[in-house]
Amino acid sequence: RKEVEQDPGPFNVPEGATVAFNCTYSNSASQSFFWYRQDCRKEPKLLMSVYSSGNEDGRFTAQLNRASQYISLLIRDSKLSDSATYLCVVNIRGRALTFGSGTRLQVQP
Amino acid sequence: SQTIHQWPATLVQPVGSPLSLECTVEGTSNPNLYWYRQAAGRGLQLLFYSVGIGQISSEVPQNLSASRPQDRQFILSSKKLLLSDSGFYLCAWTDRGGNEKLFFGSGTQLSVL
Repeated sequence: RKEVEQDPGPFNVPEGATVAFNCTYSNSASQSFFWYRQDCRKEPKLLMSVYSSGNEDGRFTAQLNRASQYISLLIRDSKLSDSATYLCVVNIRGRALTFGSGTRLQVQP
Repeated sequence: SQTIHQWPATLVQPVGSPLSLECTVEGTSNPNLYWYRQAAGRGLQLLFYSVGIGQISSEVPQNLSASRPQDRQFILSSKKLLLSDSGFYLCAWTDRGGNEKLFFGSGTQLSVL
């Protein structure tokens, strides 16, 4: 079983739609969580950290459910520029960050 | 502010040729440094990480090696490339102060033919 699992997609949504991605992790010792965004043939860039209480950054909302070992990312009012691959990232104490394979989002006009 | 430089951006090499990719970080001291590889359509695979000069940890057995000759310099090498070494190579850093956020270089697209 992979340590971090994501639905690869693609998620094809119209502009203005709300879309949500989930990510599950297998190691209960995971301590911190992030979402990264990666454009085609570019480096991943940090989108946001994920906190237990949930956190919001503009149109983006991240949630963590430790009991069920999953994190989520919600994007409201999707823009064409949101089209990218979204990587779920988990940090386990003493180890380097572990990346999921990513979920591809395509926002269509 | 901190910056990370990685070069070259693209590289086409024949099978059996050597490889040297270089990465440097500016604006910080004692960073943790990482090499990742991303195969086409796949996730990021951690290859090496380093917590200090001369200290290299390898995550997977492979045809590659890494070195850290200076605090802010990280080099990925191979003596003889294989076809399976093709991929998108990313250098990254985090600081030592408990900030776990990872910052990536712009990557090197390596094609081994």
